[in-house]
Amino acid sequence: DTEVTQTPKHLVMGMTNKKSLKCEQHMGHRAMYWYKQKAKKPPELMFVYSYEKLSINESVPSRFSPECPNSSLLNLHLHALQPEDSALYLCASSRRGQPNQPQHFGDGTRLSIL
Amino acid sequence: DAKTTQPTSMDCAEGRAANLPCNHSTISGNEYVYWYRQIHSQGPQYIIHGLKNNETNEMASLIITEDRKSSTLILPHATLRDTAVYYCIVRGISNTGKLIFGQGTTLQVKP
Repeated sequence: DTEVTQTPKHLVMGMTNKKSLKCEQHMGHRAMYWYKQKAKKPPELMFVYSYEKLSINESVPSRFSPECPNSSLLNLHLHALQPEDSALYLCASSRRGQPNQPQHFGDGTRLSIL
Repeated sequence: DAKTTQPTSMDCAEGRAANLPCNHSTISGNEYVYWYRQIHSQGPQYIIHGLKNNETNEMASLIITEDRKSSTLILPHATLRDTAVYYCIVRGISNTGKLIFGQGTTLQVKP
């Protein structure tokens, strides 16, 4: 069992839909992350939030919009996605963003774009 | 961040120790070695990390060579549930919290 909870587990949406992915942790962590994982590939970082502020955006297209409403919650808002955006979206958290503090991952949302 | 090199795949007999190697010859003094694994259809699971000294926890042991250019993750008694992709990652201050995953080693534990 993971202490980072992601919902929904699966999501199918059309290219014109708007949907949101949700991530929650109650470990008191102040750094939260979004990663994207295509099939048979390793995860790739998308965004980093530190103390509820966006600190890293890895040149992600604007159709992905992250939000951190409080220290326990991280959202990823999706709009006008393309079929190539189909992937597993992973959320992670760590105590802070320091290199000696492990990131803990949720089990992801598997997203399919029709 | 230092790049890591891992074998693409390995097999291990159930009940035996699994020794997974990782080369990180360009590692710098303030960079940590991390190991994660990813079981099919799950998120990556943190296993262990270290800087210079060998480390052990309830899951595994991490052996880092004295020159820090390579390391070995040891699963002391592998079970079928340890079948997964294992990622060795080097992480430093310069990367502001990033984990940069390589291709990893697919470990197959066989009965």
